[in-house]
Amino acid sequence: QKEVEQNSGPLSVPEGAIASLNCTYSDRGSQSFFWYRQYSGKSPELIMFIYSNGDKEDGRFTAQLNKASQYVSLLIRDSQPSDSATYLCAVNTDTGRRALTFGSGTRLQVQP
Amino acid sequence: DAGVIQSPRHEVTEMGQEVTLRCKPISGHDYLFWYRQTMMRGLELLIYFNNNVPIDDSGMPEDRFSAKMPNASFSTLKIQPSEPRDSAVYFCASSWTGTDQPQHFGDGTRLSIL
Repeated sequence: QKEVEQNSGPLSVPEGAIASLNCTYSDRGSQSFFWYRQYSGKSPELIMFIYSNGDKEDGRFTAQLNKASQYVSLLIRDSQPSDSATYLCAVNTDTGRRALTFGSGTRLQVQP
Repeated sequence: DAGVIQSPRHEVTEMGQEVTLRCKPISGHDYLFWYRQTMMRGLELLIYFNNNVPIDDSGMPEDRFSAKMPNASFSTLKIQPSEPRDSAVYFCASSWTGTDQPQHFGDGTRLSIL
């Protein structure tokens, strides 16, 4: 059973639009949630992290967490072609274990 | 500041050979993680260390894989003997202590076993 689920995509949005990426997780005890961006052939790069219910904004990025519904999302405003990448959701699914569980990623394509 | 440093960046070797991947974590980080990424299985945790001690190796696929961390600034992942199905990108990541601390990844080692 997959613990962290993401739609693999590709999610295609026009330049300037809002891209919405979603992630669901199975462990209700999860406490830490991370979004990583990975360009083809590169390593995962941390975009944002969120621990509390609600929204967290950083520039064009907003992370949203709803623990009751067990989902976390990432909104990218004013999407740019340079945002085209795979976005990985990562969750700390076991507070005693410390390691992250990654989703399989959503591929985002921003069309110029 | 230097990030996580991995070597080699690329490794091509023949089946049956020993492969050693190396990682230098960010200075001061006390957690170190080894991941493997493939198209089929995504990013999988192999093993992680805390203060140089292996904490969880449940992701290590089989006895052919071993990992060590002899000191706070160096870790190795060894495959012996290597098999074609071991071909993947291997990432090392490190972080500060605390469940809310993000992990920072190295550039990875692209391993091809012929």
